[in-house]
Amino acid sequence: NAGVTQTPKFRILKIGQSMTLQCTQDMNHNYMYWYRQDPGMGLKLIYYSVGAGITDKGEVPNGYNVSRSTTEDFPLRLELAAPSQTSVYFCASSLQGGYGYTFGSGTRLTVV
Amino acid sequence: GENVEQHPSTLSVQEGDSAVIKCTYSDSASNYFPWYKQELGKRPQLIIDIRSNVGEKKDQRIAVTLNKTAKHFSLHITETQPEDSAVYFCAATPSGNTPLVFGKGTRLSVIA
Repeated sequence: NAGVTQTPKFRILKIGQSMTLQCTQDMNHNYMYWYRQDPGMGLKLIYYSVGAGITDKGEVPNGYNVSRSTTEDFPLRLELAAPSQTSVYFCASSLQGGYGYTFGSGTRLTVV
Repeated sequence: GENVEQHPSTLSVQEGDSAVIKCTYSDSASNYFPWYKQELGKRPQLIIDIRSNVGEKKDQRIAVTLNKTAKHFSLHITETQPEDSAVYFCAATPSGNTPLVFGKGTRLSVIA
């Protein structure tokens, strides 16, 4: 039981490039989330999903896209990377919405 | 939507002393209040949580109190140890289908 697995752990992107952050969970959780963490700013919700085929915007969705084709996977797509997207990205999952989050180990992204 | 304020942003205590971190929330419908601990370079991990039908909950040296009338909740750590040094986040959610809203975090330093 691996929990929530995120890849890659680190990435440097040039301005304007695109990439996909991968997130997979093996706990059969319905709910999955993407948060970004900036120094001193806590965790801000980017997108979340309550089940396969359903996604919804969080507090800071601009510049990002997600999909949820399976229960296990919830990739986050960055199109046209900007320096403001430099952050640590955490994926999380839960059996019930809001309760008992399990976080992935994070992806540290730098846009230069 | 929900807004969670957390204070202080940094806290230094001597080993063996107590530490208290306070959070306020805005949505009176919020009914679940977890606390997460994040060690340097690691993922956030749930350390204790409380639901709105309970006023206090303890787990060894950690306790959480909730005042629904005032819409605030607090984390209490007694007999602090160097390994308690970390960033602590409070969070709240109005319902079982709503993602957590996090405070900005408190960096706790326990000085030996």
